[in-house]
Amino acid sequence: QTVVTQEPSFSVSPGGTVTLTCGLSSGSVSTSFYPSWYQQTPGHAPRTLIYTTNTRSSGVPDRFSGSILGNKAALTITGAQADDESDYYCVLYMSSGISVFGGGTKLTVL
Amino acid sequence: EVQLVESGGGLVQPGGSLTLSCSASGFTFNTYPMHWVRQAPGQGLEYVSAINGNGVSTVYADSVKDRFIISRDNSKNTLYLHLSSLRPEDTAVYYCVKGHQWAKYGMDVWGQGTTVTVSS
Repeated sequence: QTVVTQEPSFSVSPGGTVTLTCGLSSGSVSTSFYPSWYQQTPGHAPRTLIYTTNTRSSGVPDRFSGSILGNKAALTITGAQADDESDYYCVLYMSSGISVFGGGTKLTVL
Repeated sequence: EVQLVESGGGLVQPGGSLTLSCSASGFTFNTYPMHWVRQAPGQGLEYVSAINGNGVSTVYADSVKDRFIISRDNSKNTLYLHLSSLRPEDTAVYYCVKGHQWAKYGMDVWGQGTTVTVSS
């Protein structure tokens, strides 16, 4: 069974830039997996940030961007702010028709 | 404004059944796929199921296949998830999520979730 991989944790300084990645336990991620990204703060429902690799969801600031970097999908946050401290999840769409979440990355801004 | 309101969660014994509902408003319900996503206490998000706009096509995660049934009533703008043969590991917050134009594009707007607890 294919596993979607994410860094368990990451830290960034306020104002800094961070890139979170989303990979596969076997194989490479491409746009054909329609990668999407979600942000969740404790006790709240998730919020959609990016879909179809690099399309920002309505209301999402442009300091959030999505891309393919090498063999992984990537979420880059530029000019990190304190309220960016959250859990970030990626989702990949599999050829079986089911979508799969990564384990999530806990981002700390300090 | 898109709104999704889940209901139907609660405490159920192992082996029991439950039906979750999601009332949708603010968009043309029958033209969008809908998803269910769950989150066990202290854990990450897990994709559960999806259904296309006309209700003909459905997909399920292996962990719930043959136990959960997703359905929709487009005349009532309501999405359902029928949970059966429940196990303690099904304990989670269940989120109803509006999809984009195609289910493969991922999830768009999330509801606030309803909690299911499976325990004796």
